[in-house]
Amino acid sequence: GAGVSQTPSNKVTEKGKYVELRCDPISGHTALYWYRQSLGQGPEFLIYFQGTGAADDSGLPNDRFFAVRPEGSVSTLKIQRTERGDSAVYLCASSFGLLNEQFFGPGTRLTVL
Amino acid sequence: AQKITQTQPGMFVQEKEAVTLDCTYDTSDQSYGLFWYKQPSSGEMIFLIYQGSYDEQNATEGRYSLNFQKARKSANLVISASQLGDSAMYFCAMREDYSNSGYALNFGKGTSLLVTP
Repeated sequence: GAGVSQTPSNKVTEKGKYVELRCDPISGHTALYWYRQSLGQGPEFLIYFQGTGAADDSGLPNDRFFAVRPEGSVSTLKIQRTERGDSAVYLCASSFGLLNEQFFGPGTRLTVL
Repeated sequence: AQKITQTQPGMFVQEKEAVTLDCTYDTSDQSYGLFWYKQPSSGEMIFLIYQGSYDEQNATEGRYSLNFQKARKSANLVISASQLGDSAMYFCAMREDYSNSGYALNFGKGTSLLVTP
C-alpha cells in the first residue's frame, strides 16, 4: 500500500514569506507527527495529532508555526514570516496507534533565502 | 538534557561482517519504547526494530537485533552480515509513554555507517 507522502519535496522561499507543507498519512493511521531535521542532526519533534486535534504542540518553536488536520487525515504545516533559520527538512510520520512504530514520509526540504 | 546519546559519529565495517551501533538513553519513566531507524542518502526514515521497556527478550528482525541492557540504559543495534546497502545514517530513538510530550520520539544525533567491499 501507499506510504506517507509529503508535498512539495523541495520548497525554496524568500525570507518573510508564508509556506505550507502538506502530509498525507497512511490510510487508517490515526496518529500523525511532524518533525524537523536540521543538517547533521536527528529529527526534532514539532507537533502530533490524534485524530483531528493537536494532542501536543509543545515542539513548535514559536507562534509562526501552526499545523492543522481538519478531517483527521491530511495535515498541513504552516509557517508564517519565514526566517533563514527555518531551513531544514520537515518530516511527517504516521502510526496506527500511539504506541506503534511511526512510518515516515520522504520529507520536504525547505530553504529560506 | 540529551535523552538519547549516540557516541559514534561514523563507523566502518567490511561487507559480511557484523557491526554494533551504540545507543544509551536517559529516562525516569518505567514504561518506554526504543526504536532504531535507518536513513539512506535519499532522506527517508526507515523503521528497523523496536524494543519495549518491559520486553524481557531482545528484539530481532532479520539481520537486525537490539542488545537491550536495561540496567545500563543501553539499546545497541547489531547488524549481522553487513551489506553494501546498509550504508546509511542510523538513528536511535525513544518514546516515553508518560512524558509531557506525549508519544513523540526523541532521536539521537545518529551514526553514519559505511560498509566497504
